[in-house]
Amino acid sequence: DVKVTQSSRYLVKRTGEKVFLECVQDMDHENMFWYRQDPGLGLRLIYFSYDVKMKEKGDIPEGYSVSREKKERFSLILESASTNQTSMYLCASKGPDNEKLFFGSGTQLSVL
Amino acid sequence: ENQVEHSPHFLGPQQGDVASMSCTYSVSRFNNLQWYRQNTGMGPKHLLSMYSAGYEKQKGRLNATLLKNGSSLYITAVQPEDSATYFCAVVGGGFKTIFGAGTRLFVKA
Repeated sequence: DVKVTQSSRYLVKRTGEKVFLECVQDMDHENMFWYRQDPGLGLRLIYFSYDVKMKEKGDIPEGYSVSREKKERFSLILESASTNQTSMYLCASKGPDNEKLFFGSGTQLSVL
Repeated sequence: ENQVEHSPHFLGPQQGDVASMSCTYSVSRFNNLQWYRQNTGMGPKHLLSMYSAGYEKQKGRLNATLLKNGSSLYITAVQPEDSATYFCAVVGGGFKTIFGAGTRLFVKA
């Protein structure tokens, strides 16, 4: 089965810090995604990537950037963390033909 | 605006009952609809996919139907281990998968 690994389970950062969230998948999937999950709002797409060095904005990209230097790795960057970015962050990957998403276990980020 | 709405937001059946939940969607382009289950502290896990209105799918105690602008999911003989949040997600044009806020299921033993 596909394994999507997120580097941290819990993170606590201070306002203004630069934050890196890392995600690695082991199934050679072209497509990778970053979502944030907040109570009552479901999962909202931040950014996605359909190939190495390619990226597209999702529905809520403001305050975030991404990097995809290798096919298996997709990084989410918070340039200057703010308290409203406290959330659960979920990475996912997907193969071709609109197949199902495979999610990591999530990173719970708290910005103080 | 693309969106997915769930009903109900919370469901608390007794063990052995049928749990019934649904979603409606409004999207500019439709490719398929998927249901996911998320246990506490984990990422969502795909349950099933459906592709056209009238499509029905059964997977164990799960029964799902795809309607014109929504979907229903039934879980028969619910058990405490079925307790989780269930998400409907619509795959539209391009690569996007749009999720609703989910239905939280808690099965009483």
